[in-house]
Amino acid sequence: QVRLKESGPRLVQPSQTLSVTCTVSGFSVTSYHVSWVRQPPGKGLEWVGAIWKGGSTDYNSALKSRLSISRDTSKNQVFLKMNSLQTDDTGTYYCAKHRGSGYVMDAWGQGASVTVSS
Amino acid sequence: DIQMTQSPSLLSASVGDRVTLSCKASQNIYKYLNWYQQKLGEAPKLLIYYTNSLQTGIPSRFSGSGSGTDYTLTISSLQPEDVATYFCQQYNSWPTFGAGTKLELK
Repeated sequence: QVRLKESGPRLVQPSQTLSVTCTVSGFSVTSYHVSWVRQPPGKGLEWVGAIWKGGSTDYNSALKSRLSISRDTSKNQVFLKMNSLQTDDTGTYYCAKHRGSGYVMDAWGQGASVTVSS
Repeated sequence: DIQMTQSPSLLSASVGDRVTLSCKASQNIYKYLNWYQQKLGEAPKLLIYYTNSLQTGIPSRFSGSGSGTDYTLTISSLQPEDVATYFCQQYNSWPTFGAGTKLELK
């Protein structure tokens, strides 16, 4: 059974770095691409970035300067790091498995809720 | 970036109604269009991919259509469990989502 689970801090101070881990089971991160998608409270979805099954990455151009996505294939984990956090980075951060080629996200984690506040 | 505009933002319908949700892209996206359902407090769930392909396990009352810049999600007979917000997402270029249509029961 495919599962993704995000873990990370619930509260981050402004200007600090957010680190969220996505632990997957039921598939290998070397066989499927994984994206990060975020959602501010009560608002819509925003694609953050992705790590391809081969290990290369793509980032939302608006966030690229603050982002890093990496993985540990031995642990089947994907990592999101975003620096210089501001209050409008508050929201739920989801990791999602791609169905195959292209950005079709067919399985999602429960999400990690992050608040940026001092 | 390609902008996605969904309409209406809020839709009230009765059980058994045929419901149509619209999504318009700012440029041709060549059918690279997905639909997701998000219930309150849950993660999004993929319903339809590549405009009209039904994801495994999704009821057949959901269907998608469209081409060019205009796309539609149809629920043939609304059920109470369909109350949710629906998002369209294009992937002709870097993925972008619409703002969502909130579907409620009348």
